[in-house]
Amino acid sequence: QSALTQPASVSGSPRQSITISCTGTSSDVGSYNLVSWYQQHPGKAPKLMIYEGSKRPSGVSNRFSGSKSGNTASLTISGLQAEDEADYYCCSYAGSSTYVFGTGTKVTVL
Amino acid sequence: QLQLQESGPGLVKPSGTLSLTCTVSGGSVSSSSYYWGWIRQPPGKGLEWIGNIYYIGSTYYNPSLRSRLTIFVDTSKNQFSLKLSSVTVADTAVYYCARRAATGFIDYWGQGTLVTVSS
Repeated sequence: QSALTQPASVSGSPRQSITISCTGTSSDVGSYNLVSWYQQHPGKAPKLMIYEGSKRPSGVSNRFSGSKSGNTASLTISGLQAEDEADYYCCSYAGSSTYVFGTGTKVTVL
Repeated sequence: QLQLQESGPGLVKPSGTLSLTCTVSGGSVSSSSYYWGWIRQPPGKGLEWIGNIYYIGSTYYNPSLRSRLTIFVDTSKNQFSLKLSSVTVADTAVYYCARRAATGFIDYWGQGTLVTVSS
């Protein structure tokens, strides 16, 4: 069970859009539409941003959206804001009631 | 509002057993709609799924930790707990307890507790 692969860092200017990829295998991301995304600010617990691939919890800005193609899931943040600067993690169901997280991506707002 | 709170020793000796408890308030660990679980994060590193438990006691473990791991639930105290044996410095991390929905997403997290493995 290997961690899903995410870019170490992604940056963008305010009001721009960025996309974070999360690449797994046919045993996890590719087989299930059960990817979730979490935002983590320094010293804080993660916060759910997207679940079941593309669904947004109540209270999460519609600037956040999720998608999937093959073995890669993606999180897009549109209209980037200073408060979006944080670490982001994907997580996928991996079969047999197990889960795997991504390696994490640091988002910097320039 | 559901709240989860981790508790346990912040320092464990190498080869010892790491024990943590998560107390749930504002909700019940006996809910049939959710699983309860643990996630850890070594300092400066990413998240790692440890394992989950269902209220009837069914457990699901990370294969890499299975041989050292026990997760159990105490419905009378509305708590669930983690025991990780034969710890090494590599087990030093912030440990989070969490509530996981049936489709796998985590909607509630504890604040996390740092456990350091050191002699």
